[in-house]
Amino acid sequence: SQKIEQNSEALNIQEGKTATLTCNYTNYSPAYLQWYRQDPGRGPVFLLLIRENEKEKRKERLKVTFDTTLKQSLFHITASQPADSATYLCALPYSSASKIIFGSGTRLSIRP
Amino acid sequence: GAVVSQHPSRVICKSGTSVKIECRSLDFQATTMFWYRQFPKKSLMLMATSNEGSKATYEQGVEKDKFLINHASLTLSTLTVTSAHPEDSSFYICSARDGFNLPLHFGNGTRLTVT
Repeated sequence: SQKIEQNSEALNIQEGKTATLTCNYTNYSPAYLQWYRQDPGRGPVFLLLIRENEKEKRKERLKVTFDTTLKQSLFHITASQPADSATYLCALPYSSASKIIFGSGTRLSIRP
Repeated sequence: GAVVSQHPSRVICKSGTSVKIECRSLDFQATTMFWYRQFPKKSLMLMATSNEGSKATYEQGVEKDKFLINHASLTLSTLTVTSAHPEDSSFYICSARDGFNLPLHFGNGTRLTVT
């Protein structure tokens, strides 16, 4: 069955450093992959979408890569700030592509 | 744009009662809405997919008679937790899709506590 794994449950880094989060998937080939941010007690907020024919996508301090050979996406936040502290979720279309399933999330903490 | 409003944000109910949660797309037509459940420090678990005007499709292990979903219009879907029990206490989140467009737009969730 299709599986999504975000390897780090929690990640703590110093302000100003680059945070790198990992999303791995198995047993299928999604046409795209998404990253969302979720703050405590709130719904997820969309950040970036990358398609299978794109290697990399950037938005301000965010960068996402998509390696369909490794079945992996990396999510980078450069010049991290305490306000970036949140849980980050990767999401993939399910087999029928009409629904989206989420990884377990990585809780990122940026310390001043 | 693309705002999804979910109501109520918090609800406390007694065991055995039913609770209705509303999810509205405010500025777009949502042909498809999704209902998720989230336990503390866990990811979103898809419960069901609802399409306007048709019956919802439930994920394996989700009781359709327990979690009633209605998607009567292009801007409103409701989730009713029937005969709630303490184990139904959770964070329920809806999301909506504007046609086949991405991304999903999420409501801010409903914290249900069953006493």
